[in-house]
Amino acid sequence: DADVTQTPRNRITKTGKRIMLECSQTKGHDRMYWYRQDPGLGLQLIYYSFDVKDINKGEISDGYSVSRQAQAKFSLSLESAIPNQTALYFCATSDGAQETQYFGPGTRLLVL
Amino acid sequence: QKEVEQNSGPLSVPEGAIASLNCTYSDRGSQSFFWYRQYSGKSPELIMSIYSNGDKEDGRFTAQLNKASQYVSLLIRDSQPSDSATYLCAVLSTGSARQLTFGSGTQLTVLP
Repeated sequence: DADVTQTPRNRITKTGKRIMLECSQTKGHDRMYWYRQDPGLGLQLIYYSFDVKDINKGEISDGYSVSRQAQAKFSLSLESAIPNQTALYFCATSDGAQETQYFGPGTRLLVL
Repeated sequence: QKEVEQNSGPLSVPEGAIASLNCTYSDRGSQSFFWYRQYSGKSPELIMSIYSNGDKEDGRFTAQLNKASQYVSLLIRDSQPSDSATYLCAVLSTGSARQLTFGSGTQLTVLP
């Protein structure tokens, strides 16, 4: 079984819709992250959480919100989706020791 | 100015050759550096981490770090077609945030 899972793997939605991307992990890590990836731009940090009560904005948080429901679950919401949020979204976890991050398989989102 | 810079490529090398991938970073206080490999449409996976000046070898991969020059590189010896991927350099920020900043990646193609 995968250590970091993301659902859905693919999603098509319309402008203005609210959607949620979910991430679960069985690695027992406290730290979880959401990134988006656009072609040629690498990974950009959206939000991160160092424990259940800790939520922090990353470099591109506008238009997004998150919820850390438990140590193992971290959800990303797009309150009102817009076409330039079309991207590949990755969840990642780390143990905070050496800061090695482990990535989920990604969610490919298309906003029409 | 982007904090982590990589040549976007594409970089092409023949099978069996040495591939050299380079990365520079702007945060002089950074202490932790990572190389991730990402196949097209897949999630990033960690290849190497390096924390001290000098070379670190793992199989066909060697990471090199020069903190004075703010430069980190990855050498792939005896390159194989299966090494064809995008290689992402990541640098851990200083301070309490401890976020990873990723370069935009170098696309490597190993020609049979």
